[in-house]
Formats: sequence, C-alpha cells, structure tokens
Amino acid sequence: QKEVEQDPGPLSVPEGAIVSLNCTYSNSAFQYFMWYRQYSRKGPELLMYTYSSGNKEDGRFTAQVDKSSKYISLFIRDSQPSDSATYLCAMSQWTFGNEKLTFGTGTRLTIIP
Amino acid sequence: NAGVTQTPKFQVLKTGQSMTLQCAQDMNHNSMYWYRQDPGMGLRLIYYSASEGTTDKGEVPNGYNVSRLNKREFSLRLESAAPSQTSVYFCASSGGDSTYSGNTIYFGEGSWLTVV
Repeated sequence: QKEVEQDPGPLSVPEGAIVSLNCTYSNSAFQYFMWYRQYSRKGPELLMYTYSSGNKEDGRFTAQVDKSSKYISLFIRDSQPSDSATYLCAMSQWTFGNEKLTFGTGTRLTIIP
Repeated sequence: NAGVTQTPKFQVLKTGQSMTLQCAQDMNHNSMYWYRQDPGMGLRLIYYSASEGTTDKGEVPNGYNVSRLNKREFSLRLESAAPSQTSVYFCASSGGDSTYSGNTIYFGEGSWLTVV
C-alpha cells in the first residue's frame, strides 16, 4: 500500500464549477501538507501548504487537512480554464536539513469552457 | 532570476550508454534533490543533498550516482542506461534553513530521457 493515495482522474468540470481534489495517507508522522500544480511538460509549482490540521485559504483555493482521518483536500472555486493541470498532493515529516516529500500520483484536471 | 535550471531538456540514449543530467540553482539553497516522474507512480526521490558535500539515497537510487559539485550544482549520472530509466527527471532545491516555511521547494522544468 502506498503511503499517499490520490485518484488519478482524469476529472473534467465546466468552467465556474467548484472542484474538489483529495488525498489520503497512512503515515501519521506527516505534519506538512502541500498541493502542487503541474502544467503539461513543466515542473511542479507549489500552490498551497498547510501545517497540521485545519483550513487555509488563498484566493480561489482552499486547502483542508483532517489529520484524524488522514485526509487532505484542495478546493478550487470559480474554476477557470487556466486551472487545467495535474494537481499533486505532497506530505513531509520535516526535520532540519531533510525536507523529503512523499507525493501522490497526481489528478489530471480539465476545466471545460 | 532563473531558479532551478536543468540540462538537457530532451535526450535519447541507447541501452548501456552513460550520461549526466546537470542542475543548477541560483537561490542560494542548501538542499537539492533529484526526482523521477513516471505515469501512475508519481514523483519519486532518487537522491538528495542536504548541504554541499553531502549526498544521500532516496527511494529509487539504483542505477544512478550523484555529485554535489558546489552549493549551486547537483548532477545526476546514469552509468549504464537501461530502458527502465526512461522517465522525466526533475531537479529541485530548497532553503534547508532552520525553519520550515513550506514554500521552499522549487522544481526545474524537467528532463525527458528515453532509453532505447
């Protein structure tokens, strides 16, 4: 069983819809939770990060962590065609000088105009 | 400010050939990483370097070697390429300072490697 599970999709939604992306994990030592966005033929770029449980909002994006259920989510409001990309969740149990991330496999999202 | 720069972007190798992927960062980061990305497998860590002069194995180190040439540069070498090493390779770097901000890991654009 993988430490981090993520539905690969693909997921297609109409423009303006609310998108929900999710990951589950098994390692209770993870403390830092991140979402990366990766456009086709590009490197991943950090979108959001949260520490421990709770919600974090940044514009149209909300990251949610439920450590008791080992479940994290990314919500995209008022989705735009420019949001079409692969979204990767990532987690770490950071120790100084050792920021190794464990990634999900990524969910490919397409926003239909 | 270029961030993380990888070369080459595309490469085709024959089985048994060797090659080196080059990576440089201009953000004065301490830590550097090499990942590979394969369909259905996500990003997997090959090697990392927490600081200049140190390197450690990641999840999938077999068949690879690395060199942290200086603080800026971290190279990945395939000594005898195999078809199983066909993948997209990403170099990344992070600040590696004493606090974790979460937004310190930056990726390069990727290197597409095909071994035939």
